[in-house]
Amino acid sequence: DIVMTQSPDSLAVSLGERATINCKSNQSVLYSSNNKNYLAWYQQKPGQPPKLLIYWASTRQSGVPDRFSGRGSGTDFTLTISSLLAEDVAFYYCQQYYSAPITFGQGTRLAIK
Amino acid sequence: QVRLVESGGGVVQPGTSLRLSCAASGFIFSSYAMHWVRQAPGKGLEWVAVISNDGKSIHYVDSVKGRFTISRDSSRSTVYLQMKSLRAEDSAVYYCAKGAGHEGGYDYLQNLWGQGSLVIVSS
Repeated sequence: DIVMTQSPDSLAVSLGERATINCKSNQSVLYSSNNKNYLAWYQQKPGQPPKLLIYWASTRQSGVPDRFSGRGSGTDFTLTISSLLAEDVAFYYCQQYYSAPITFGQGTRLAIK
Repeated sequence: QVRLVESGGGVVQPGTSLRLSCAASGFIFSSYAMHWVRQAPGKGLEWVAVISNDGKSIHYVDSVKGRFTISRDSSRSTVYLQMKSLRAEDSAVYYCAKGAGHEGGYDYLQNLWGQGSLVIVSS
């Protein structure tokens, strides 16, 4: 199974500042035949289901604000929120969909400082 | 409007069975893989199972293999999760999720989630 590890577990950022969450997999999720990283990011607010933000490591889902961006390749990935808004307070999860079992990182709690 | 609505959750005793249903609407059900993902209270997300758009390919997380069965009924646009020999550690909100496609990795990616159905396994 592919193990996903996020850092930090918890993060507090001031409004308007940049927030960065890291995700590392214990094996590559880059599929060589199509050069795509099978890595997604989800946002989950309290009492709500997860919402897809980013897939293929850097493609924003339709309707997701452009302050959210993803980057990385192979085993190391980053989700960045360029200018934090109060509505961005949530848990964030990375996920590999390269192979079954599909696995998530443990989650990162993002709060306002 | 694309929508997923789970039902069938509840409080059950250890060792018993329960079947969850997820009714889909607003999209061509037979074109998409479907998933179940669970979240224990206060914990992170755990993927449980996926069924391909045609029902021919199925995968499970190891902890539920042999106890849980995912299935789908295209005539009803519904995906099911039959759960047997339930354990306390199966207690969670169970989310139904729509695959983003039916192949090329899009089948394993989830782009829409239901509101979830709570299962509590307790004596």
